[in-house]
Order: sequence, then C-alpha cells, then structure tokens
Amino acid sequence: DAGVIQSPRHEVTEMGQEVTLRCKPISGHDYLFWYRQTMMRGLELLIYFNNNVPIDDSGMPEDRFSAKMPNASFSTLKIQPSEPRDSAVYFCASSYAGVNQPQHFGDGTRLSIL
Amino acid sequence: DQQVKQNSPSLSVQEGRISILNCDYTNSMFDYFLWYKKYPAEGPTFLISISSIKDKNEDGRFTVFLNKSAKHLSLHIVPSQPGDSAVYFCAVPPPNSGGSNYKLTFGKGTLLTVNP
Repeated sequence: DAGVIQSPRHEVTEMGQEVTLRCKPISGHDYLFWYRQTMMRGLELLIYFNNNVPIDDSGMPEDRFSAKMPNASFSTLKIQPSEPRDSAVYFCASSYAGVNQPQHFGDGTRLSIL
Repeated sequence: DQQVKQNSPSLSVQEGRISILNCDYTNSMFDYFLWYKKYPAEGPTFLISISSIKDKNEDGRFTVFLNKSAKHLSLHIVPSQPGDSAVYFCAVPPPNSGGSNYKLTFGKGTLLTVNP
C-alpha cells in the first residue's frame, strides 16, 4: 500500500519567494495533519483537517502560512512570502477517524530559505 | 513550557542489551501516550501506545511502562538491535482525549544508537 506521499523532498529558494508543499494522504484516511520540525522547537503540529475541512489551525505561525485541502487525496501548505526562519522539515501525516488510530507520516520536505 | 519532556537527547547501548527511553509529562489529565520512531530522512512511524488505565503494554521486544504518580513513562527495548538505532519520540493528545489522537504534542526525542 502506498503511504503518505510528499513533494518535493527538498526545496531551496530565496527569501520572499512563494513556496508550495504538497501532500497525498493514504486513501481512505479521514484526517490530514501538517507538522514542522526544527532543532529549536522539535515537531510541532501546524494544522489538521477532517474530511477536507480545517479543524484546528492554531499552530500556524503567521498569516504567511496557509493550508488547503481541495479534495480527499490532496493538500497543500503554502508560505508566501518565505523567510529564512521558515527553514525546517515539513511533514504531512494522515489517519483514520476513531479511537487509538495512529498517524502515518510522509517522509517530509526539507525546506531551505536563503 | 513543554508538556512532554525527554531529558536525554541521546542514548548508546550494546546490541543484545536493554534500551530504556524515558519521558516525563506535566499534566495528570493526559490519558493516552504514544511512542514514535524516526529514521534519518524518513517520517516518524508509530511504535506503541498505552492508555492511562494501564501501567504496561507490550509488543514483541517493545514494552511501555506508565507511572502515573510520577508522571513518567518509559519505553524498554529488549534485546536491542542495531536496526533499532533511531530517534524515539513520546507524544500525547490533549487531556481527556479518550484516545482521539488528533492534536499530538511531541517530545524533542532521544537518539538511540545500538552498537554491534
């Protein structure tokens, strides 16, 4: 079975540019999560969706960050404009609804903003 | 302020011995705890979990122990194998989540190295 697929795996861009990260969740999963991992703050939840609807975006750091889920098989995390402090590894995860359902993570996008 | 703390950034053990990874938490209302394992350049993968109504959960070589009075959980790996070398994260959902693991808070992780 295909796992969570993220693209690109690596992104290097200059400050001020728009960055779009993409995620394809596991088919049939009801929940989708976006995380950011940095040395300073560890792994943090940014936002999560249920049935394509954003449920909690309290972890989104600033208005420069936005996330969408236009359908059950695709989500994007956009940063506009990007800044060097946004450099991190961004993970997407998905899970079934219900009790004790683990989250399944993609392999992440390593983002470097110069 | 960290809700879950993994105070040991790294741990090194010999193959065949026991690995013990620790995690402390602050809120006595947490009712579910998870451990994830992460290899370099990969995403975290779920390893094992425990409900607060239990004090132990075992899955093969992996056992998680929960000490509610001390607000402490630990992951034991016996026997340790070189393939277990990875970063291990403990994670908790919000208090009284009843096992709905949607809004997880992760510890900073412990890098385990198992030497052949």
